[in-house]
Amino acid sequence: GAGVSQSPSNKVTEKGKDVELRCDPISGHTALYWYRQSLGQGLEFLIYFQGNSAPDKSGLPSDRFSAERTGGSVSTLTIQRTQQEDSAVYLCASSLGSGRGNEQFFGPGTRLTVL
Amino acid sequence: AQTVTQSQPEMSVQEAETVTLSCTYDTSESDYYLFWYKQPPSRQMILVIRQEAYKQQNATENRFSVNFQKAAKSFSLKISDSQLGDAAMYFCNMDSNYQLIWGAGTKLIIKP
Repeated sequence: GAGVSQSPSNKVTEKGKDVELRCDPISGHTALYWYRQSLGQGLEFLIYFQGNSAPDKSGLPSDRFSAERTGGSVSTLTIQRTQQEDSAVYLCASSLGSGRGNEQFFGPGTRLTVL
Repeated sequence: AQTVTQSQPEMSVQEAETVTLSCTYDTSESDYYLFWYKQPPSRQMILVIRQEAYKQQNATENRFSVNFQKAAKSFSLKISDSQLGDAAMYFCNMDSNYQLIWGAGTKLIIKP
C-alpha cells in the first residue's frame, strides 16, 4: 500500500505569509505526528494526534503554529506570519496506534524556506 | 527528565568493515522501547531496528544488531559488513511513558 505522503515537497514563501503543509498518513493508522528538522539537526516534536483524542500540542513553538486532522486521516500544519527561523524540513509520521513501541512511518517531508 | 544522547555527531567506516554507533538514554520507567531510525540523503526516515526494554536478548536485523545494556542505559547500534547504502543519518529514539524522545543523530560516512 501507499506510504505517508506530504505536500508540497518544497515551499518558498515570504516572511509574514501564512503556509499550509499537508500530510496523508497510511490508511488505518490512527496516530499522526508532526516534527520539524532544521538543517543537519535532529527531530523536534511539534504535535501528536491519536484517534479522536485531544491532540498533544506540547511541542508547538508558538501560537503561530497550529494543526488539525480531519476525519482521523489527513492533517494540515499551518504556520501563520512565517519567520525566517521557521525555515526547516517538516516531517509527518503515522503509526498504527497509541500502543507502546509502534513503528513510525515517515513521509518525505516538506522543505520550507522563508525569505 | 527523559533524554536520549548520541555523542558521535559523525562516524566514518571503510566499506565492508564494522561500525558501532552509540546511544545513551535516561528514563525512570522500567518498560519502554528503543529504536534506531535511518535517514538517507533522500530524507525519508525508515526504521532500522527496535528493542523492547523488558527483553534481555539483543535485537538483530540482518547486518544490524544492538548492544542493549539496560543497567547502563546504553543502546548502541552495530552495523556489520558496511555497505555504501548504509551512508545516512542515524537517530536513536526512545518511547517511554508515552513520550517520544529523539537523539540529535549521527552521520555515518562509508568510505569505498
